[in-house]
Amino acid sequence: TQLLEQSPQFLSIQEGENLTVYCNSSSVFSSLQWYRQEPGEGPVLLVTVVTGGEVKKLKRLTFQFGDARKDSSLHITAAQPGDTGLYLCAGVRSNTGKLIFGQGTTLQVKP
Amino acid sequence: DTEVTQTPKHLVMGMTNKKSLKCEQHMGHRAMYWYKQKAKKPPELMFVYSYEKLSINESVPSRFSPECPNSSLLNLHLHALQPEDSALYLCASSQVGQVTYGYTFGSGTRLTVV
Repeated sequence: TQLLEQSPQFLSIQEGENLTVYCNSSSVFSSLQWYRQEPGEGPVLLVTVVTGGEVKKLKRLTFQFGDARKDSSLHITAAQPGDTGLYLCAGVRSNTGKLIFGQGTTLQVKP
Repeated sequence: DTEVTQTPKHLVMGMTNKKSLKCEQHMGHRAMYWYKQKAKKPPELMFVYSYEKLSINESVPSRFSPECPNSSLLNLHLHALQPEDSALYLCASSQVGQVTYGYTFGSGTRLTVV
């Protein structure tokens, strides 16, 4: 059973389109993090959301944490080829302190 | 210094070999982690060290042996591996008890067992 369900798992879009990636769980997390990973490299932290209902913006990326702290979303506006990569959500379970990853979303943005 | 450095970047080893993966960070992080990642899959936690002591072992086979000689270094000793152990091995670090600030990952060691 996957603790963090991420959708969609694959997304191929044209440059300039908008997209949203979802990260859902039945469990409460003390925080959720979003990472981006390029082939042959380690994940790079994009943002951490901690407070229920929190919204954070990073240029064309908007991150939201659900009110109940069980889900999060990543919205990209006007996607560019440089946004191509594997996007991973990850949650910290407060009772274990472990960082658990969702399955990831592979995004391809075509020029 | 805001990096986690992993060496080697690539490693090919036979099933009877003994090798070690190394990880180093100088950010003052006292929690360090080993993750294993298969192609197109998310990283899977293997080990957690907190203040140089092993705090979590995710039921990893004994052919993987972690070691934390000091607060900046983390090793993963490999012995008698199987071809299915081929993967990207990632090291990460964070502040202890402050995981909300995120982990810093290294670029990984691409391991191939032949």
